[in-house]
Amino acid sequence: EIVLTQSPGTLSLSPGERATLSCRASQSVSASYFSWYQQKAGQAPRLVIYSTSSRATGVPDRFSGSGSGTDFILTISRLEPEDFAVYYCQQFVSSPWTFGQGTKVEIK
Amino acid sequence: EVQLVQSGAEVKKPGESLRIPCKISGYSFTTYWISWMRQMPGEGLEWMGRIAPSDSSTDYSPSFQGHVTISVDKSISTAYLEWSSLTASDTAMYYCASGGRAWDYWGQGTLVTVSS
Repeated sequence: EIVLTQSPGTLSLSPGERATLSCRASQSVSASYFSWYQQKAGQAPRLVIYSTSSRATGVPDRFSGSGSGTDFILTISRLEPEDFAVYYCQQFVSSPWTFGQGTKVEIK
Repeated sequence: EVQLVQSGAEVKKPGESLRIPCKISGYSFTTYWISWMRQMPGEGLEWMGRIAPSDSSTDYSPSFQGHVTISVDKSISTAYLEWSSLTASDTAMYYCASGGRAWDYWGQGTLVTVSS
């Protein structure tokens, strides 16, 4: 099973600041099968980034993804109030598909 | 518009059975695999398993294999997650999801509470 470890656990930032979220895989993951999801309190998750760096439909361009192999990054260039949420990385290169434990982006 | 519609909250007793639905509209039902995810209170997301609506092939996480059953009814474009004997540790929110590139589409979730 591929274990995904996200860091930091919590990111305390102000609106307008840049957020950098990391996800490390226990073994190499094909970039085509790596995604990021956003989950706000009381809501279902929402796809943000797929195939490591492609934005999902309707996702603003302040969101970007990068990485390869075992290290992946989600960057939010300038935080807007609606971006404060929990973010999960996820792989589906090998079953069982797995999520990271989540990074909470909270208002400082 | 693609919609995955799940049922409302369920309250059950330990040992009872339960089947929760996920009705899909807005695309051809057999196009994408459908996955189920668990989210325990205050915790992260866990992938439980998936099903191919075209032929009902399934793939389960070892953590859930043998404890749940995933099925579909193509005639009504609905996927199901089923338990034959619930335990308190099954108390969680359950989401269905599907999509081509990743999980583009999500249901709103069904909260299952198991308590004596």
